Amino acid sequence: GALVYQYPRRTICKSGTSMRMECQAVGFQATSVAWYRQSPQKTFELIALSTVNSAIKYEQNFTQEKFPISHPNLSFSSMTVLNAYLEDRGLYLCGARDGTGKVFFGKGTRLTVV
Amino acid sequence: QQQVRQSPQSLTVWEGETAILNCSYEDSTFDYFPWYWQFPRESPALLIAIRPVSNKKEDGRFTIFFNKREKKLSLHITDSQPGDSATYFCAASEAGGYKVVFGSGTRLLVSP
Repeated sequence: GALVYQYPRRTICKSGTSMRMECQAVGFQATSVAWYRQSPQKTFELIALSTVNSAIKYEQNFTQEKFPISHPNLSFSSMTVLNAYLEDRGLYLCGARDGTGKVFFGKGTRLTVV
Repeated sequence: QQQVRQSPQSLTVWEGETAILNCSYEDSTFDYFPWYWQFPRESPALLIAIRPVSNKKEDGRFTIFFNKREKKLSLHITDSQPGDSATYFCAASEAGGYKVVFGSGTRLLVSP
C-alpha cells in the first residue's frame, strides 16, 4: 500500500536554530509533495508545493529563505525550518500525491521551539 | 480569501444521534473532496472522499452528501459514538492541480 513516512515525529529546537524534516513516499511515486503547517488551534496552511520537473512554489507568508525544500526524486522530500522561533511551532505535514490524484499524508513532525 | 468553509465550528451530539458537518467551497474547478479526521496530538487521517460525479458517498456510518450546483457538501455520521469525537476537516483539490486546500475544521464531541 501507499504510505508516507515523516521523520522525525517530534523535535525540540532552541530559538534561532534550524531543524530539518524529511518525507518519504513508499509504495508509489509522488508526482508532487506539499508541505503544510498546523499551528496551535489552527487549520492547515500550505507552505509550499513541489512538483516534479517544476520549480517549488511557495505560498504567501512562506519563503524559500525561511523554509528551503529539497525534492531530489519522486519518493523523497526534505524541508528545513531556518532560524526557528516561537511562531514556527506546530505540526508540519507532508502530503504526497500519486498519479491518480490521491494525496497521502505522513504522520507529521511536531516542532517545539524553546 | 477562504476557499473552503466549514460549519459549525464545534458540535456536540449525544451517542446514537446523527452528526451533520457542513462544508462549502468557492472554486468550481475543485474536483476532489476528502474529509480528514484528527484526534488530539495526532496528524489527520483520510476518512472518506467524494468526486463531483457522485452526489453521495457512503462508508459505514459515514456519508458524504454533495450538491455541485450549490457548491456544498456535508458529512453525516449516523449512530455517533464517543470514539468519533475528533476534529473533522473538509478539504478540496482541483482537477489537474496538486495542492489540497483545507477548511478550518469542525470539532465534534459525542457525549455518552
